[in-house]
Amino acid sequence: EAGVTQFPSHSVIEKGQTVTLRCDPISGHDNLYWYRRVMGKEIKFLLHFVKESKQDESGMPNNRFLAERTGGTYSTLKVQPAELEDSGVYFCASNPTGREKLFFGSGTQLSVL
Amino acid sequence: GENVEQHPSTLSVQEGDSAVIKCTYSDSASNYFPWYKQELGKGPQLIIDIRSNVGEKKDQRIAVTLNKTAKHFSLHITETQPEDSAVYFCAASRPGTYKYIFGTGTRLKVLA
Repeated sequence: EAGVTQFPSHSVIEKGQTVTLRCDPISGHDNLYWYRRVMGKEIKFLLHFVKESKQDESGMPNNRFLAERTGGTYSTLKVQPAELEDSGVYFCASNPTGREKLFFGSGTQLSVL
Repeated sequence: GENVEQHPSTLSVQEGDSAVIKCTYSDSASNYFPWYKQELGKGPQLIIDIRSNVGEKKDQRIAVTLNKTAKHFSLHITETQPEDSAVYFCAASRPGTYKYIFGTGTRLKVLA
């Protein structure tokens, strides 16, 4: 069974540019999450999709971040325009409804210079 | 807001020794406490979890204890091996939500 796949693994962009991160959850997992870890700090919740609907987006830092989940399959997280403080590792996770265990992807290391 | 404090931030032990990582949570409504292990270049992976109606849970060399009154929970790894070297995260969540509050992580180094 394929795991959660994230692309790209690394991204280096300049302040003001746009970056789009992609996540492919495990097939059949209705729940998809985005988390972020800034250097040395906690892994922080950003948002939760159930299929194509946003269930909870209370962790999204501001309106420069836009997440979508087309057709309830893969998800994208766009940052526009990127700021220095957006640097960090962005994790995607998924799980089936009724199960608490999260399956994480390897993350996207975003560096904004 | 809710938070989870995790200590220590780094921990070095000799192979064969035990390692203990401690977490304290603030939300008294939390009832689920997982531990995740992140190896280099990989995403976090669940290694053990505990619910609020249980005080201790063990799985081979790893165990987790929970003190609901004090809002503390701890991860214990016995007979550590080099492959235990990784970053460990504790987390807490409340009923009816999949939103986890994670700790800041502990980098464990097991010295051969």
